[in-house]
Amino acid sequence: DGGITQSPKYLFRKEGQNVTLSCEQNLNHDAMYWYRQDPGQGLRLIYYSQIVNDFQKGDIAEGYSVSREKKESFPLTVTSAQKNPTAFYLCASSRGLANTGELFFGEGSRLTVL
Amino acid sequence: QKEVEQDPGPLSVPEGAIVSLNCTYSNSAFQYFMWYRQYSRKGPELLMYTYSSGNKEDGRFTAQVDKSSKYISLFIRDSQPSDSATYLCAMSAGTNAGKSTFGDGTTLTVKP
Repeated sequence: DGGITQSPKYLFRKEGQNVTLSCEQNLNHDAMYWYRQDPGQGLRLIYYSQIVNDFQKGDIAEGYSVSREKKESFPLTVTSAQKNPTAFYLCASSRGLANTGELFFGEGSRLTVL
Repeated sequence: QKEVEQDPGPLSVPEGAIVSLNCTYSNSAFQYFMWYRQYSRKGPELLMYTYSSGNKEDGRFTAQVDKSSKYISLFIRDSQPSDSATYLCAMSAGTNAGKSTFGDGTTLTVKP
């Protein structure tokens, strides 16, 4: 089955540690995205990538980093510079530049800072 | 003030009721309007997509866009317990779906 796989589903981190969230897709989509969702709030865009080896900052990129070495993979690193990292992180993909409105989402990774 | 304001809820209705979910927006450049459904602890899934103004119907779901009033709605007819979820409106001015602006979501519970 085609889709987006995020791992781990739950992650605990101590303050000061970097953590990397994995996102893999087998939909052959060009564009991939990372969002953050806090309780009772909508999705906020962290980073996005339209093609391999290229990515752009979203609205809340500070304290995060990404890479896009393969079309299928778009990992997100939450660095120690992110002051409030506890949140639900969602990875998504879309076919390309044409806006059909459809984003395909993974099941999310819940990060808790202890 | 946020670009997209969504009725906060939560909303609780009996099975079979008609549900109305609403969002207002301030950016007149928005022309792509989406509704996503998100079950608890899952990622959102696209429910309805509309380009520009008008109505769109898909089974029990109807999306309405009124660009003159900067107002969009999602109607659910004959609501079912399986419709219990958080509904997110999203809208975009440009061609990049991933750069949409999302509402905060309305949580709906349909009671049997």
